[in-house]
Amino acid sequence: GAGVSQSPRYKVAKRGQDVALRCDPISGHVSLFWYQQALGQGPEFLTYFQNEAQLDKSGLPSDRFFAERPEGSVSTLKIQRTQQEDSAVYLCASTLSGPVGELFFGEGSRLTVL
Amino acid sequence: DAKTTQPNSMESNEEEPVHLPCNHSTISGTDYIHWYRQLPSQGPEYVIHGLTSNVNNRMASLAIAEDRKSSTLILHRATLRDAAVYYCILRQTGANNLFFGTGTRLTVIP
Repeated sequence: GAGVSQSPRYKVAKRGQDVALRCDPISGHVSLFWYQQALGQGPEFLTYFQNEAQLDKSGLPSDRFFAERPEGSVSTLKIQRTQQEDSAVYLCASTLSGPVGELFFGEGSRLTVL
Repeated sequence: DAKTTQPNSMESNEEEPVHLPCNHSTISGTDYIHWYRQLPSQGPEYVIHGLTSNVNNRMASLAIAEDRKSSTLILHRATLRDAAVYYCILRQTGANNLFFGTGTRLTVIP
């Protein structure tokens, strides 16, 4: 597709379950970002990849959060042992070159932890 | 992160111009001013950005104060599809992320 694609769009997990959220960036985009958006708040930065290298993971809230982009294209955000406070929309964005370009966002994956 | 201050909400009548203000008194000389908007149930969408001079594109205009401590996003004729949360963001040189804040929720009244 032409845009950033995320799946699943909606995920309900029981507390303690592991979840994996997928992001397909725009073809050829070097940089990829993950953001977390709680209800009523703006998106908050989680992590940044340039190709397959994770250059910044300063926003990951705990060691239960892990992101990878092994081939420099598709990325997966994994959350282990989910907790209720993990409930949020997880947004993926990509940009053609480095972090300074216009970000193209996907529609997000809404995670609800019961 | 350099912070911005925006009103929580604004209203506009359809087909009238909208001026969305943003204060960024701690802006540094190399920070770019970016605007994104987020429509309901969608990811943020780039609107416009600038450094010192006013900027125009097909979506909006950006007016930047001479001292760069404030800026205004101008929608020339608001439509119902412009109802969204608008984020004013300072993009720091070398920074890997955008700090969104809580933005301004624009309501367009038919």
